[in-house]
Amino acid sequence: QQQVKQSPQSLIVQKGGISIINCAYENTAFDYFPWYQQFPGKGPALLIAIRPDVSEKKEGRFTISFNKSAKQFSLHIMDSQPGDSATYFCAAFSRAANNLFFGTGTRLTVIP
Amino acid sequence: EAGVAQSPRYKIIEKRQSVAFWCNPISGHATLYWYQQILGQGPKLLIQFQNNGVVDDSQLPKDRFSAERLKGVDSTLKIQPAKLEDSAVYLCASSSLDRGPVNYGYTFGSGTRLTVV
Repeated sequence: QQQVKQSPQSLIVQKGGISIINCAYENTAFDYFPWYQQFPGKGPALLIAIRPDVSEKKEGRFTISFNKSAKQFSLHIMDSQPGDSATYFCAAFSRAANNLFFGTGTRLTVIP
Repeated sequence: EAGVAQSPRYKIIEKRQSVAFWCNPISGHATLYWYQQILGQGPKLLIQFQNNGVVDDSQLPKDRFSAERLKGVDSTLKIQPAKLEDSAVYLCASSSLDRGPVNYGYTFGSGTRLTVV
């Protein structure tokens, strides 16, 4: 069972545009919702994360919006740059299980 | 701090052969994870160790996969015999809950890309 659903599968954005990736989760017991960025040949690297008692978190050009009642969260990348081209994974962390559940990933391409 | 080290980076084997991957976590990280990432998908947990004990191996195909973490530090993941569908990137990660909720301290290695032909 896919605990975290992610869309779109791929995304092409012009340089300077806004990239938006959406995720939805099933289990209300998750404690923490991180986003990971993965470049080819590398492991996923933590980008930004949010707790479920917060509706928005911003770090530089990256913002997470969190809707607890809808069990949805999204990543917004403002002023997207070619260097942002990577695969992005949303995830949900269960402290009780000490385990991360990943979405299926979004391949972002930012066109110069 | 040094990252999570994995070796080899790439491995090509024939089906029914055996293969082993090695992981050295970040020093002091008690928890170690092995994930399987099939092309185009998110990482899927195979096994989780806390120190040298197994916490969760419910997703590990135990008829062919095995893992150990001797002395609570390095870990090896073995596949024997390999199948074509085992072609994937095998990621090792480690974490320390001591960092608190701001960052549960998950750090991934670069992975081992396995191709089974």
